[in-house]
Amino acid sequence: DGGITQSPKYLFRKEGQNVTLSCEQNLNHDAMYWYRQDPGQGLRLIYYSQIVNDFQKGDIAEGYSVSREKKESFPLTVTSAQKNPTAFYLCASSIGPGQGYEQYFGPGTRLTVT
Amino acid sequence: KNEVEQSPQNLTAQEGEFITINCSYSVGISALHWLQQHPGGGIVSLFMLSSGKKKHGRLIATINIQEKHSSLHITASHPRDSAVYICAVYTDKLIFGTGTRLQVFP
Repeated sequence: DGGITQSPKYLFRKEGQNVTLSCEQNLNHDAMYWYRQDPGQGLRLIYYSQIVNDFQKGDIAEGYSVSREKKESFPLTVTSAQKNPTAFYLCASSIGPGQGYEQYFGPGTRLTVT
Repeated sequence: KNEVEQSPQNLTAQEGEFITINCSYSVGISALHWLQQHPGGGIVSLFMLSSGKKKHGRLIATINIQEKHSSLHITASHPRDSAVYICAVYTDKLIFGTGTRLQVFP
């Protein structure tokens, strides 16, 4: 079955620690995205990648980093510089970059930092 | 003011009722996306449309580009339809509404 996997589903970390969230897709999609969801707010774009070895900042990139060394994988690191890291993180992918390509979402990772 | 507004924010219904969720946007778009988010958090794509109307099972989505408005209808609602329904519009990126939480009671 083709799809997007994110692991783990729940993640707990102490303040001051970096943490990496995994996102893998086997849809052969070029573009991948990371979103953050907070209660009462719409999803917000953290980073996106249109092609391997290239990525761009989204609206709320501060305190986050990504890499795109393989087409299938787009890990997100939440660094200690992120002021409010506790949130629900969703990864998505689309066939191509840009407007109008339907995005497919993973199951999400709920990160809690205490 | 958000670029994408959904109404209502919360909606409760009895099983079998006809449901309408509205989405208005203030920017030029190339397409609009209706998404469903279940309590576990994962998001499923329901429709992507740029004009007219689409139907899938008991779900119908319409869009009026001139009025910058879209509606999602659920006919013969069922408790398993309980979820958050999210409208998102494509500009140079995907802009999301805050969602409509639907609860359908037996």
